[in-house]
Formats: sequence, C-alpha cells, structure tokens
Amino acid sequence: DAGVTQSPTHLIKTRGQHVTLRCSPISGHKSVSWYQQVLGQGPQFIFQYYEKEERGRGNFPDRFSARQFPNYSSELNVNALLLGDSALYLCASSPRGRNTGELFFGEGSRLTVL
Amino acid sequence: AQSVAQPEDQVNVAEGNPLTVKCTYSVSGNPYLFWYVQYPNRGLQFLLKYITGDNLVKGSYGFEAEFNKSQTSFHLKKPSALVSDSALYFCAVREEYTNAGKSTFGDGTTLTVKP
Repeated sequence: DAGVTQSPTHLIKTRGQHVTLRCSPISGHKSVSWYQQVLGQGPQFIFQYYEKEERGRGNFPDRFSARQFPNYSSELNVNALLLGDSALYLCASSPRGRNTGELFFGEGSRLTVL
Repeated sequence: AQSVAQPEDQVNVAEGNPLTVKCTYSVSGNPYLFWYVQYPNRGLQFLLKYITGDNLVKGSYGFEAEFNKSQTSFHLKKPSALVSDSALYFCAVREEYTNAGKSTFGDGTTLTVKP
C-alpha cells in the first residue's frame, strides 16, 4: 500500500515568490496535517484538515494557507516567501480527526528560499 | 497548552550497550505520548506510543518507553544498541481527545551508536 506522498521533493524559490506543496494521504485516511521542520528543530504544527474543513491552525502568519480536496489530498500554499520559510515541510495523515493513533508522515518537501 | 522537552541534543553510546533518550512533557489533561525516528532527509517514522494502561510500552526495532506520570516523563530505551539505531529521535505529545494532527514535538535528540 502506498504511504503518504508529497510533491515536489525539493524546490528552490526566491524571496517574494509563492509556493504550492502537495500531499496525498494514505488511502482511507481523512485527516491531513502540515508541519514545518526548520533545520535543528522539531516539526512545528501549521494546519490540520479533516473532512475538508480546517480543524486547527498553528502560530503561523496568514501567508500560509491550505485546503483539502474531496479525495482528501491537500495543498499547502505560502505567499510572499521569506528566507525564514526555508524548511522541510512535512505532511502527515491519520484515519480520523480524533483518534489515539500515530501520525503517518510523508518524506517531505524541502523548500529553499534564496 | 502542551509542550515537550528533550534535554539532550546528542546521545552517544557504544554498540551493545543500553541506551536512553529522555523526554519530559507538559499538558493540561491526560497525555498521549509518541516517539518517532527520522533518518537523514526523510520523514518521521513511528516507533511507539503510550495512550493508557501499562506504563511500559514496547515498540518497533526493540525499543521501549516508560511513562512516568509523577515525573511527567516518557524516556525511550533499548537494552542493546545497534549501529543502525543511529538517527534523530523525536518525542511528541498531545492532549487526550485532541485532534490527531495537533501534536507538539520536541527539538529532537541525535543518537549516535559507535561500533
């Protein structure tokens, strides 16, 4: 069975540009979360979506937005990129919004902002 | 609010020796606790979790962790370390009944196992 898939795996942007990152959850999983992992730090929660609705948002500026599609895949959008947005962006899925289980992570999208 | 502390940035052990990676947490209610491992340029892989019940939980690759409510700790342990255990380890917490995606992670501990 396919795990969580993310695209692109690597990308380079310049300050002020916009980026869209994509995530496909494990089949049957309806919840998708996005995390930002800056080098040397743990993942920081950005968004959670469940059944196409936003169920939580971390402490990130409005430049960050996301959505979930009817097939439960998700996009993370970041506008007006800053150098500090350079990070590994991780997508994680889980079967339901509230459950006792673990998160299933993709390999991440490595964003470099120059 | 919930938080996690991993007090050691780096842990070094010799192959065959026991290892411990420390984690303490803070939540308002009952915690759900997790350990994940990350290899270079990869996503996080689940190792084990504590939800309720026995304080000693066993997980993948021979790892185990002990939940200690009074000390608010959830240390990761393995009786005999392997070189292949060398990786970055993250402890994570979320409050009982919160959405699965809203986990709080520590900053990670790099485990190096030397032959």
